[in-house]
Amino acid sequence: AQSVTQLDSQVPVFEEAPVELRCNYSSSVSVYLFWYVQYPNQGLQLLLKYLSGSTLVKGINGFEAEFNKSQTSFHLRKPSVHISDTAEYFCAVKGAGGTSYGKLTFGQGTILTVHP
Amino acid sequence: GAGVSQSPSNKVTEKGKDVELRCDPISGHTALYWYRQSLGQGLEFLIYFQGNSAPDKSGLPSDRFSAERTGGSVSTLTIQRTQQEDSAVYLCASSPLGGGTQYFGPGTRLLVL
Repeated sequence: AQSVTQLDSQVPVFEEAPVELRCNYSSSVSVYLFWYVQYPNQGLQLLLKYLSGSTLVKGINGFEAEFNKSQTSFHLRKPSVHISDTAEYFCAVKGAGGTSYGKLTFGQGTILTVHP
Repeated sequence: GAGVSQSPSNKVTEKGKDVELRCDPISGHTALYWYRQSLGQGLEFLIYFQGNSAPDKSGLPSDRFSAERTGGSVSTLTIQRTQQEDSAVYLCASSPLGGGTQYFGPGTRLLVL
């Protein structure tokens, strides 16, 4: 079984400032890792994913994340945020064994609010 | 191309009534998932379909919840004798052959009065 902890429930930041949203996971097997974004009254949109290979993963909208196996972390970063980045962000994990199908386990979410 | 669609987008029902929620996955996607998003519990997995069979239904919270998938495409999640604690957003996702990324629909917001 896997679990995910998002260390900050809310992150306020000013426009054009850098931001980091923290995510730690626990698993007894190798994992795939994901970050999703949810805008108000919408479904989840994939920002980026780590399946294998390079530990630095780049996604849409200028976001990137780094997989750190020793620290079991997958923090999301953006060097300069925009007002439009205001949303809720979810870190998710899935076991990498078997067929790679199977459920995602989500963190509790981090609400990013970008102020002008 | 078309994404995952869900209907209705909103549903208000009275306690004790049955409801049906529908999901149309991305065409050709073999795997389909249902999740529930609620204030107290966050995002929870409910059930996973591979084709028309459900190899993992471990997240269904009670026997009032059931789901089926027909023709390897459309899925229906049914909640019988709804309770107020069933109020949540029900999200559907699909993924292609080979697994990997799950693509989510906009969700159905269910309110049980």
